[in-house]
Amino acid sequence: QKEVEQDPGPLSVPEGAIVSLNCTYSNSAFQYFMWYRQYSRKGPELLMYTYSSGNKEDGRFTAQVDKSSKYISLFIRDSQPSDSATYLCAMSPKWGGADGLTFGKGTHLIIQP
Amino acid sequence: EAQVTQNPRYLITVTGKKLTVTCSQNMNHEYMSWYRQDPGLGLRQIYYSMNVEVTDKGDVPEGYKVSRKEKRNFPLILESPSPNQTSLYFCASSLGLSGEQFFGPGTRLTVL
Repeated sequence: QKEVEQDPGPLSVPEGAIVSLNCTYSNSAFQYFMWYRQYSRKGPELLMYTYSSGNKEDGRFTAQVDKSSKYISLFIRDSQPSDSATYLCAMSPKWGGADGLTFGKGTHLIIQP
Repeated sequence: EAQVTQNPRYLITVTGKKLTVTCSQNMNHEYMSWYRQDPGLGLRQIYYSMNVEVTDKGDVPEGYKVSRKEKRNFPLILESPSPNQTSLYFCASSLGLSGEQFFGPGTRLTVL
């Protein structure tokens, strides 16, 4: 079983739809959960991070963590064509330590105008 | 502007011809890493460095070398490239390996 599972997509939705992106994981030591966004021909950029369980909202984006189910989600409201990108989840037991990040393989999201 | 730069951005080479991909960061970060990204395999860490003269293997170090002689620079060296090293390579810097990673723009390498 891989440590982090993420559906690669592509996921294609019409503009304005609510998008749900998800990752499951197996390592119960993970405490920090991140979402990176990667546009075509660019490096990934940190979009949001959360600590432990719960929700975190930033504009149209909401990150949700359910540690009991080992399941994390990123919701995008009122999706825009500019949200089209690959979204990678990443996780770690600590923030800023030397343990490294475990990345999902990324979900390719397409928002149709 | 805080950034990580990589050069070259695109490179086509032949098997066995030594090459170096440079990486530089201007954020005074302690940690720097190299990743490769392949379809279906995602991002995989090749090597990382915790400080000058301190480097360690990541998940896929075979066929690669790195050095960290200055804090801002972390070059990736392929001494004898092979076609299975054809990939998209990213350099990243950070305050910690598990904190926010700042990625460079990527180097697309093709080995014929």
